[in-house]
Amino acid sequence: ETGVTQSPTHLIKTRGQQVTLRCSSQSGHNTVSWYQQALGQGPQFIFQYYREEENGRGNFPPRFSGLQFPNYSSELNVNALELDDSALYLCASSSEQTAVYEQYFGPGTRLTVT
Amino acid sequence: KQEVTQIPAALSVPEGENLVLNCSFTDSAIYNLQWFRQDPGKGLTSLLLIQSSQREQTSGRLNASLDKSSGRSTLYIAASQPGDSATYLCAVPDNNAGNMLTFGGGTRLMVKP
Repeated sequence: ETGVTQSPTHLIKTRGQQVTLRCSSQSGHNTVSWYQQALGQGPQFIFQYYREEENGRGNFPPRFSGLQFPNYSSELNVNALELDDSALYLCASSSEQTAVYEQYFGPGTRLTVT
Repeated sequence: KQEVTQIPAALSVPEGENLVLNCSFTDSAIYNLQWFRQDPGKGLTSLLLIQSSQREQTSGRLNASLDKSSGRSTLYIAASQPGDSATYLCAVPDNNAGNMLTFGGGTRLMVKP
């Protein structure tokens, strides 16, 4: 069974640029959630995708957007990057088949905005 | 809005000590509670998940308890080892928002040899 994978591992961008982060969900999981974790803080929920539709969104501006593909992999896009977007971005997958919605996290993508 | 708090924020203990990490949440209508471990700069590793109908879960030297009525969970680590040094996070899902997880700020644990 393949776990959750994310790419790239690290990324450095300049303020104002756009970035795309990628996530492959665990085998058999159809739900993907994205979280932002600033240094020294707990993760904050960005949004969730279930069967290619957005299924919940946290308190993040519209410049944070996402996609889920038919194979349940997902992308997080951030436009007009700001310095405060520097963080660890975590992807988690889950499935209603487990009946407990336990979420499995990937290793994260470290984004630095300069 | 659910709020999750973890106390203490940081903890340093000598090897071999038994220790307790605390997690409290404001809305007791939770579906489950998860404890995670995070090594510096890494992703989250799920340690234990307690369903709302359960009172505790055990895995090796770890034991997590859940008291929904008081909005509290504890993670007990027996006979701590230097390899246990990490940040421990608790999280609960919001069943009205796509099962988003609300996390506490974490407890940063250092176990000294």
